[in-house]
Amino acid sequence: DAGVTQSPTHLIKTRGQQVTLRCSPKSGHDTVSWYQQALGQGPQFIFQYYEEEERQRGNFPDRFSGHQFPNYSSELNVNALLLGDSALYLCASSATGYSNQPQHFGDGTRLSIL
Amino acid sequence: DAKTTQPNSMESNEEEPVHLPCNHSTISGTDYIHWYRQLPSQGPEYVIHGLTSNVNNRMASLAIAEDRKSSTLILHRATLRDAAVYYCIPRPYSGGGADGLTFGKGTHLIIQP
Repeated sequence: DAGVTQSPTHLIKTRGQQVTLRCSPKSGHDTVSWYQQALGQGPQFIFQYYEEEERQRGNFPDRFSGHQFPNYSSELNVNALLLGDSALYLCASSATGYSNQPQHFGDGTRLSIL
Repeated sequence: DAKTTQPNSMESNEEEPVHLPCNHSTISGTDYIHWYRQLPSQGPEYVIHGLTSNVNNRMASLAIAEDRKSSTLILHRATLRDAAVYYCIPRPYSGGGADGLTFGKGTHLIIQP
C-alpha cells in the first residue's frame, strides 16, 4: 500500500519563475493538505483541499494556489517565486469524515530559489 | 490556536525511557493533543493522540495532566531510530472537517548509543 508520494524530490528555480509540485495521497484518503517547512522550523500550513475545492487556508499570499483532481491527487502552484520561498514543501493526506484522523505525510519536495 | 512550549532539545541514552514534555496552558476543552515526529530527511509521522486520559500504542505512551495544561510523550525504550524532532500539537475537534495542523519548533531528541 503506497503512502503519500510527492514529485519531484528536488527542484531549482530562479526568482520570478513559477513552479508546480505534485502529490498523490495515500490510498483511501480524499483530503490533501500542503505545508511549507523552512530550514530549522516546523511545517507551516498552506491550505487544504477536499472535493476539488480549497477548504481551509493558512496565512500565505495568493501567489500560492492549488488544485485537486477527481482522483484526489493535488498540485501546489507558486507564482512569482521569491528567495524566501526556498523550503521543503510537504503534502499530507487524510480521510475526511473521521475526526482527529492522523495526517499522513510525504517526504516532500525541496525547492531552491536562486 | 493554543500555544505550545517544548524544550528545544533533549538527549537520552539508547534503551532508556524518554519523557518529552509539552506545555499547552491555553488549550481549549475540546482540543485533542497530538504528537508527531520528523526523522531526518523525512516528512512528519503521526505518533499518538489523546483528550483527557492516558493513551498507549505500539510507538509510545501519552500522559495528560489532569488540568490538561501539559502532557508528556513517553518512549519506553529509546532506540537510535527514535532520534527525531518531536512536535506537540493541540488539535481542535473538527468533526471530520478541515483542520490544518499548527506545528511549533518541536523538541530535537538526540539518542546516544
